[in-house]
Formats: sequence, structure tokens, C-alpha cells
Amino acid sequence: GEDVEQSLFLSVREGDSSVINCTYTDSSSTYLYWYKQEPGAGLQLLTYIFSNMDMKQDQRLTVLLNKKDKHLSLRIADTQTGDSAIYFCAESIGGGFKTIFGAGTRLFVKA
Amino acid sequence: DTGVSQDPRHKITKRGQNVTFRCDPISEHNRLYWYRQTLGQGPEFLTYFQNEAQLEKSRLLSDRFSAERPKGSFSTLEIQRTEQGDSAMYLCASSSSWDHGSSGNTIYFGEGSWLTVV
Repeated sequence: GEDVEQSLFLSVREGDSSVINCTYTDSSSTYLYWYKQEPGAGLQLLTYIFSNMDMKQDQRLTVLLNKKDKHLSLRIADTQTGDSAIYFCAESIGGGFKTIFGAGTRLFVKA
Repeated sequence: DTGVSQDPRHKITKRGQNVTFRCDPISEHNRLYWYRQTLGQGPEFLTYFQNEAQLEKSRLLSDRFSAERPKGSFSTLEIQRTEQGDSAMYLCASSSSWDHGSSGNTIYFGEGSWLTVV
């Protein structure tokens, strides 16, 4: 089946690390993605990871993939108030022709 | 490269009217997608084109919805006889099949077209 699940809310203090978790169901997923959405806007690609990788780091972002447990996480180091947004986990399925999204995690950053 | 552009950004229509949204993908992208997003939810897949061919349609796409991509470039999404349940943001995205090896089938979104049916 096609299902991506995320926790709905996360609140952190400015300067702390944020960890957003996601589980997916399609073991054939080849790529997994994190997108960011600010109010009233479209989705902005943050990063992606290929399914044969365990970790990917990109500046303040670290993606961890546990393929056995079908678990993906996004860590944002030194979280800033500008990081407040909705973060979507997504998996590419069907040979890469279709991308399925979770419901999004709303990150609140307190100053 | 101007990114994916969508028009109009906002549309308010009366129930029963028809609406049409336009999407211009990133110029070198051959794949184009339509998604729908309602409040508090992630984007839901509606349909997908490769060049001018519509290769997949979701069960969400009722017979009131039709999407076209006549020349393999821009696309239109038409909703006939709109209902209040159609109120949502309609997102267009594009990707390139030739990027599959380097970046996955990464899809790039437009800013969305908000539809409010009153």
C-alpha cells in the first residue's frame, strides 16, 4: 500500500535541534524526500535521499534512513524562527513516476 | 529558468460554475503532475503526464475533472460543475525523466492555485 505517516506537530526553542520523523510503507521506494511549505505557498524541496544510503548531510540538515524499519528522519541543527513551516516527507514509488506525501509536520520555533 | 508557474493564483467561483487552471512547467521538464492539497493535509496525487501523454489518473479525479497537456508543454486542469468540496489548493509540479539518475524523480512545485467554491 501507499502510505506516509508523520507526527503532526513539533515545537522547539530557537537554537535547539529539531528532529522530524516519518514512516513509509512501500519497500520499493527508490527516493525519499523532504519538502518545506510556508503559509500560502507551494512546496520547496529541501533534500532527498536514495534508498541505498543511510545518511545524507546538507549544511544544517541531516537525513537518516532506516530502510529495514521504513523510517526516515530530518534533523535541523540550530533551528531558527525562519524554519517555522510545515515539513512533508514523501516517497517516490511506481518506478519513480509518482510521489506520495505525508500529512506534514508543523514545526513551531519559539524565540 | 523561471520555475513552475501557475495561473490564476486565486479563484473564487460559485457552485456549479466551471474553472480552469493553467500550469507552465520548468522548460526542459517532460513530466508534469497535478496535486490537490486541502487544509491540514499533504498534497494528494491527481494525475501525471509524460510529454503530452496522460499516463496515470487518481481515483480522486472524478469525471468532472479533466487535465490536458496538448503540446507537451503547458497543462490545464478544468473542473466542471464545481462543488464546495472542490475548494482546495491545486498544485502543479514538473520533473525531468533524464534527471532520474542524479536526483531521483525530484518534482518541483509551483506556488499553487487556490480555489474557493461558494
